[in-house]
Amino acid sequence: LAKTTQPISMDSYEGQEVNITCSHNNIATNDYITWYQQFPSQGPRFIIQGYKTKVTNEVASLFIPADRKSSTLSLPRVSLSDTAVYYCLVGDPGTYKYIFGTGTRLKVLA
Amino acid sequence: EAGVAQSPRYKIIEKRQSVAFWCNPISGHATLYWYQQILGQGPKLLIQFQNNGVVDDSQLPKDRFSAERLKGVDSTLKIQPAKLEDSAVYLCASSLEDGGADTQYFGPGTRLTVL
Repeated sequence: LAKTTQPISMDSYEGQEVNITCSHNNIATNDYITWYQQFPSQGPRFIIQGYKTKVTNEVASLFIPADRKSSTLSLPRVSLSDTAVYYCLVGDPGTYKYIFGTGTRLKVLA
Repeated sequence: EAGVAQSPRYKIIEKRQSVAFWCNPISGHATLYWYQQILGQGPKLLIQFQNNGVVDDSQLPKDRFSAERLKGVDSTLKIQPAKLEDSAVYLCASSLEDGGADTQYFGPGTRLTVL
Protein backbone atom coordinates (compact mmCIF):
# COMPACT_ATOMS: atom_id res chain seq x y z
CA LEU A 1 0.00 0.00 0.00
CA ALA A 2 1.75 3.12 -1.23
CA LYS A 3 1.86 5.91 1.31
CA THR A 4 3.03 9.40 0.45
CA THR A 5 4.97 12.00 2.40
CA GLN A 6 5.12 15.69 1.55
CA PRO A 7 6.39 18.84 3.25
CA ILE A 8 3.69 20.37 5.40
CA SER A 9 4.10 23.89 4.08
CA MET A 10 6.09 26.10 1.73
CA ASP A 11 6.31 29.81 1.12
CA SER A 12 7.26 31.43 -2.16
CA TYR A 13 7.16 34.80 -3.87
CA GLU A 14 5.26 35.73 -6.97
CA GLY A 15 7.10 34.93 -10.18
CA GLN A 16 9.28 32.22 -8.66
CA GLU A 17 9.35 28.56 -9.62
CA VAL A 18 8.07 26.24 -6.89
CA ASN A 19 9.03 22.59 -6.57
CA ILE A 20 7.08 20.30 -4.23
CA THR A 21 8.43 16.81 -3.67
CA CYS A 22 6.39 13.76 -2.71
CA SER A 23 7.94 10.58 -1.36
CA HIS A 24 6.25 7.25 -2.14
CA ASN A 25 8.77 4.55 -1.31
CA ASN A 26 6.36 1.63 -1.64
CA ILE A 27 4.88 2.57 -5.00
CA ALA A 28 3.65 -0.45 -6.96
CA THR A 29 4.40 -1.25 -10.58
CA ASN A 30 0.95 -0.28 -11.82
CA ASP A 31 0.59 2.90 -9.76
CA TYR A 32 0.27 6.29 -11.36
CA ILE A 33 1.18 9.50 -9.58
CA THR A 34 -1.35 12.29 -9.60
CA TRP A 35 -1.26 15.78 -8.14
CA TYR A 36 -4.28 17.75 -7.04
CA GLN A 37 -4.77 21.34 -5.96
CA GLN A 38 -7.32 22.35 -3.34
CA PHE A 39 -8.57 25.83 -2.49
CA PRO A 40 -10.53 26.48 0.72
CA SER A 41 -14.16 25.34 0.57
CA GLN A 42 -13.62 23.54 -2.73
CA GLY A 43 -12.96 19.96 -3.76
CA PRO A 44 -9.51 19.00 -5.05
CA ARG A 45 -8.79 19.77 -8.69
CA PHE A 46 -6.58 17.68 -10.99
CA ILE A 47 -3.27 19.28 -11.94
CA ILE A 48 -1.13 16.63 -13.58
CA GLN A 49 -0.50 12.89 -13.74
CA GLY A 50 2.45 10.74 -14.70
CA TYR A 51 3.93 7.26 -14.60
CA LYS A 52 7.62 7.86 -15.25
CA THR A 53 10.15 10.44 -16.51
CA LYS A 54 8.67 13.87 -17.17
CA VAL A 55 5.21 15.15 -17.96
CA THR A 56 4.36 18.75 -18.78
CA ASN A 57 1.06 20.51 -19.33
CA GLU A 58 -0.04 24.12 -19.49
CA VAL A 59 0.11 24.65 -15.73
CA ALA A 60 2.83 22.37 -14.31
CA SER A 61 5.54 19.80 -14.84
CA LEU A 62 5.94 16.49 -13.07
CA PHE A 63 9.35 14.89 -12.68
CA ILE A 64 9.58 11.21 -11.78
CA PRO A 65 12.99 9.54 -11.33
CA ALA A 66 13.70 6.08 -12.67
CA ASP A 67 13.05 4.33 -9.35
CA ARG A 68 9.68 6.13 -9.02
CA LYS A 69 10.06 6.38 -5.25
CA SER A 70 9.47 10.10 -5.37
CA SER A 71 8.04 12.75 -7.65
CA THR A 72 8.35 16.53 -7.92
CA LEU A 73 5.63 18.91 -8.94
CA SER A 74 7.03 22.03 -10.53
CA LEU A 75 4.94 25.21 -10.79
CA PRO A 76 6.59 27.84 -13.00
CA ARG A 77 6.24 31.51 -12.10
CA VAL A 78 3.66 31.20 -9.34
CA SER A 79 1.10 33.92 -8.65
CA LEU A 80 -0.95 34.77 -5.56
CA SER A 81 -3.80 32.64 -6.92
CA ASP A 82 -1.61 29.53 -6.66
CA THR A 83 -1.89 29.72 -2.88
CA ALA A 84 -3.53 26.40 -2.05
CA VAL A 85 -2.94 22.93 -0.67
CA TYR A 86 -1.27 20.51 -3.07
CA TYR A 87 -1.82 16.77 -2.70
CA CYS A 88 0.16 13.90 -4.12
CA LEU A 89 -1.98 10.85 -4.85
CA VAL A 90 -0.70 7.40 -5.71
CA GLY A 91 -3.24 5.15 -7.37
CA ASP A 92 -3.26 1.58 -6.24
CA PRO A 93 -5.63 -0.28 -8.57
CA GLY A 94 -4.63 -3.62 -7.12
CA THR A 95 -6.32 -2.87 -3.81
CA TYR A 96 -8.53 0.02 -5.02
CA LYS A 97 -7.15 2.27 -2.29
CA TYR A 98 -6.38 5.82 -3.36
CA ILE A 99 -4.48 7.52 -0.60
CA PHE A 100 -3.99 11.24 -0.48
CA GLY A 101 -0.79 12.50 1.10
CA THR A 102 -0.71 14.96 3.98
CA GLY A 103 -0.75 17.81 1.51
CA THR A 104 1.59 20.76 1.16
CA ARG A 105 0.20 24.15 2.02
CA LEU A 106 1.76 26.59 -0.45
CA LYS A 107 1.59 30.27 0.34
CA VAL A 108 2.57 32.70 -2.38
CA LEU A 109 3.63 36.12 -1.15
CA ALA A 110 3.56 39.38 -3.07
CA GLU B 1 -19.61 19.85 -19.31
CA ALA B 2 -21.39 19.86 -15.94
CA GLY B 3 -19.26 18.93 -12.96
CA VAL B 4 -19.98 16.72 -9.97
CA ALA B 5 -22.97 18.04 -8.06
CA GLN B 6 -23.44 17.63 -4.32
CA SER B 7 -26.13 18.69 -1.91
CA PRO B 8 -26.58 20.10 0.57
CA ARG B 9 -23.48 22.31 0.76
CA TYR B 10 -23.77 22.72 4.52
CA LYS B 11 -25.51 20.76 7.25
CA ILE B 12 -25.62 21.23 11.00
CA ILE B 13 -27.09 18.49 13.18
CA GLU B 14 -26.92 17.31 16.75
CA LYS B 15 -25.18 14.11 17.74
CA ARG B 16 -27.27 10.96 17.41
CA GLN B 17 -29.29 12.50 14.58
CA SER B 18 -29.28 11.17 11.03
CA VAL B 19 -28.09 12.91 7.88
CA ALA B 20 -27.89 12.11 4.19
CA PHE B 21 -25.77 13.53 1.42
CA TRP B 22 -26.48 13.32 -2.29
CA CYS B 23 -24.08 13.19 -5.22
CA ASN B 24 -24.66 13.35 -8.97
CA PRO B 25 -21.49 12.41 -10.88
CA ILE B 26 -20.42 13.58 -14.30
CA SER B 27 -22.52 11.93 -16.97
CA GLY B 28 -20.97 8.72 -18.23
CA HIS B 29 -18.55 8.28 -15.36
CA ALA B 30 -18.57 4.69 -14.17
CA THR B 31 -16.68 5.15 -10.93
CA LEU B 32 -17.90 7.17 -7.94
CA TYR B 33 -16.05 7.88 -4.72
CA TRP B 34 -17.01 9.27 -1.33
CA TYR B 35 -14.27 10.87 0.74
CA GLN B 36 -14.21 12.30 4.24
CA GLN B 37 -11.97 15.30 4.80
CA ILE B 38 -11.40 16.39 8.37
CA LEU B 39 -10.14 19.94 8.81
CA GLY B 40 -6.41 20.16 8.14
CA GLN B 41 -6.14 16.65 6.71
CA GLY B 42 -6.16 15.10 3.27
CA PRO B 43 -9.30 13.39 1.95
CA LYS B 44 -9.82 9.83 3.16
CA LEU B 45 -11.57 7.39 0.87
CA LEU B 46 -14.73 5.95 2.46
CA ILE B 47 -16.24 3.98 -0.39
CA GLN B 48 -15.77 3.43 -4.11
CA PHE B 49 -18.44 2.29 -6.57
CA GLN B 50 -17.89 0.89 -10.03
CA ASN B 51 -21.24 1.42 -11.75
CA ASN B 52 -23.66 0.31 -9.00
CA GLY B 53 -21.35 -2.21 -7.34
CA VAL B 54 -19.09 -1.57 -4.35
CA VAL B 55 -15.38 -1.93 -5.16
CA ASP B 56 -14.00 -0.95 -1.78
CA ASP B 57 -15.66 0.05 1.48
CA SER B 58 -12.95 -1.06 3.87
CA GLN B 59 -12.68 2.36 5.51
CA LEU B 60 -16.39 2.97 5.82
CA PRO B 61 -17.59 2.77 9.47
CA LYS B 62 -20.38 0.39 8.63
CA ASP B 63 -22.02 0.54 12.03
CA ARG B 64 -23.17 4.08 11.28
CA PHE B 65 -22.36 4.90 7.66
CA SER B 66 -24.09 3.51 4.60
CA ALA B 67 -23.97 4.36 0.93
CA GLU B 68 -25.78 3.31 -2.17
CA ARG B 69 -25.61 4.03 -5.86
CA LEU B 70 -28.86 3.09 -7.50
CA LYS B 71 -28.85 2.47 -11.23
CA GLY B 72 -25.16 3.30 -11.36
CA VAL B 73 -25.67 7.05 -11.43
CA ASP B 74 -26.57 9.14 -8.35
CA SER B 75 -25.34 8.16 -4.93
CA THR B 76 -26.39 8.80 -1.35
CA LEU B 77 -24.21 8.64 1.75
CA LYS B 78 -25.98 8.34 5.09
CA ILE B 79 -24.82 8.66 8.68
CA GLN B 80 -27.02 7.25 11.42
CA PRO B 81 -26.49 8.11 14.22
CA ALA B 82 -23.96 10.91 13.87
CA LYS B 83 -21.11 11.43 16.31
CA LEU B 84 -19.11 14.56 17.07
CA GLU B 85 -16.08 13.13 15.26
CA ASP B 86 -18.10 12.92 12.02
CA SER B 87 -17.77 16.67 11.62
CA ALA B 88 -15.95 17.02 8.31
CA VAL B 89 -16.36 17.83 4.64
CA TYR B 90 -17.77 14.94 2.62
CA LEU B 91 -16.48 14.97 -0.92
CA CYS B 92 -17.89 13.07 -3.85
CA ALA B 93 -15.75 12.39 -6.91
CA SER B 94 -16.21 10.52 -10.15
CA SER B 95 -13.96 9.17 -12.87
CA LEU B 96 -14.53 7.66 -16.26
CA GLU B 97 -13.19 4.27 -15.24
CA ASP B 98 -10.99 3.02 -12.44
CA GLY B 99 -9.16 5.98 -10.89
CA GLY B 100 -5.72 4.38 -10.80
CA ALA B 101 -4.73 6.09 -14.00
CA ASP B 102 -7.87 8.06 -14.48
CA THR B 103 -8.56 11.59 -13.33
CA GLN B 104 -10.99 12.01 -10.47
CA TYR B 105 -13.30 15.01 -10.65
CA PHE B 106 -14.46 16.31 -7.30
CA GLY B 107 -17.62 18.06 -6.27
CA PRO B 108 -17.64 21.07 -3.93
CA GLY B 109 -18.33 18.93 -0.88
CA THR B 110 -20.83 18.99 1.96
CA ARG B 111 -19.62 20.52 5.20
CA LEU B 112 -21.14 18.64 8.14
CA THR B 113 -21.08 20.05 11.65
CA VAL B 114 -22.21 17.74 14.47
CA LEU B 115 -23.02 19.54 17.73
